[in-house]
Amino acid sequence: AAGVIQSPRHLIKEKRETATLKCYPIPRHDTVYWYQQGPGQDPQFLISFYEKMQSDKGSIPDRFSAQQFSDYHSELNMSSLELGDSALYFCASRREGLSDTQYFGPGTRLTVL
Amino acid sequence: GQQVMQIPQYQHVQEGEDFTTYCNSSTTLSNIQWYKQRPGGHPVFLIQLVKSGEVKKQKRLTFQFGEAKKNSSLHITATQTTDVGTYFCAGKDRGSTLGRLYFGRGTQLTVWP
Repeated sequence: AAGVIQSPRHLIKEKRETATLKCYPIPRHDTVYWYQQGPGQDPQFLISFYEKMQSDKGSIPDRFSAQQFSDYHSELNMSSLELGDSALYFCASRREGLSDTQYFGPGTRLTVL
Repeated sequence: GQQVMQIPQYQHVQEGEDFTTYCNSSTTLSNIQWYKQRPGGHPVFLIQLVKSGEVKKQKRLTFQFGEAKKNSSLHITATQTTDVGTYFCAGKDRGSTLGRLYFGRGTQLTVWP
């Protein structure tokens, strides 16, 4: 079965640079969630989208923005990167009205030097 | 605000011993999901519990949802080395229509052969 796809899988950036993370949800899933997971931490909810509209907002810094496109894929844009942004970034998807279960992608490991 | 507490944070067992992790929510939940994350991996969905007092089994894993829908547990009988990983509970608040899941901090299970 198709799973959530995230790219890139690994990303190394310098401080103050920008980064774009991409997420391709499971086919026919219309809701996308972004999470940040630091070492030894639980996933922290950043933001979510349903039908291309922002549906919920968590602890996403103002330096970050995200959007969902007409094909339901989503991108997380991160600017003015800081050392503390180094983490695993997960995207999860689900289909509204079908189940509350979120299916996670493999994640993007971002390292800020 | 919504909080999901999970204990213990770490658990080390000998292969063949049992293991239990507990989740408690500060508010009544609509449902609760359990995920397993292997080292270096992403959270993998295990099960969803919806009904008050629900008990579900998956081979050696037993999941329970409390009568008040505020607590849950995962019990593994006769652990194996393949059970190693971090187990997260994640609850959806009963009053939420946005689908956001609130994750517990996770229980990191180590199994010695």
